[in-house]
Amino acid sequence: DAGVTQSPTHLIKTRGQQVTLRCSPKSGHDTVSWYQQALGQGPQFIFQYYEEEERQRGNFPDRFSGHQFPNYSSELNVNALLLGDSALYLCASSLWGRGVETQYFGPGTRLLVL
Amino acid sequence: SQQGEEDPQALSIQEGENATMNCSYKTSINNLQWYRQNSGRGLVHLILIRSNEREKHSGRLRVTLDTSKKSSSLLITASRAADTASYFCATDGWNSGYALNFGKGTSLLVTP
Repeated sequence: DAGVTQSPTHLIKTRGQQVTLRCSPKSGHDTVSWYQQALGQGPQFIFQYYEEEERQRGNFPDRFSGHQFPNYSSELNVNALLLGDSALYLCASSLWGRGVETQYFGPGTRLLVL
Repeated sequence: SQQGEEDPQALSIQEGENATMNCSYKTSINNLQWYRQNSGRGLVHLILIRSNEREKHSGRLRVTLDTSKKSSSLLITASRAADTASYFCATDGWNSGYALNFGKGTSLLVTP
């Protein structure tokens, strides 16, 4: 039973570029959440997707957008990259309506913006 | 914004000693969880304690929750070098919807 997987593991971009990160949820899960973790900080909630719709959003600008596909996998897109977007991006999957205790985190994608 | 704040920021102990980390939060919660993170990798769930619980055990882990003080502690007994990691508390509540609110973490170093 595969857990949450994310790709790529590492990524280097330059300011102004756009990036897409991908997440496949744990088998049987239907909800995906994305978090940003800057160096030395705790993860910050970006948004959550269920039934291909954004259900909740944290305090992040519109440059951050997402998508969920019918197979429950998800993408996180960041436009017009800034140096401050350098971080570890974590994906978590869960079962809708079953509470946070069903949430599992993936290994993350480390993004470096130069 | 961070909901939880861990204390201390860093902790260094020797193998066999106990490690205690504290977490304080600001608003009412439904649950509080502790996670471990090794070298900036993914988060590993350690234990969840609900707002109506006061203490919970799992192996060498003991978590307490004091909702009147809005604080929690994580005790790791008989520490091992493999326990070296960053530890985060995360809360969820009615005002946070489905989002987990994490603290900044405690960095634990266990030396042989």
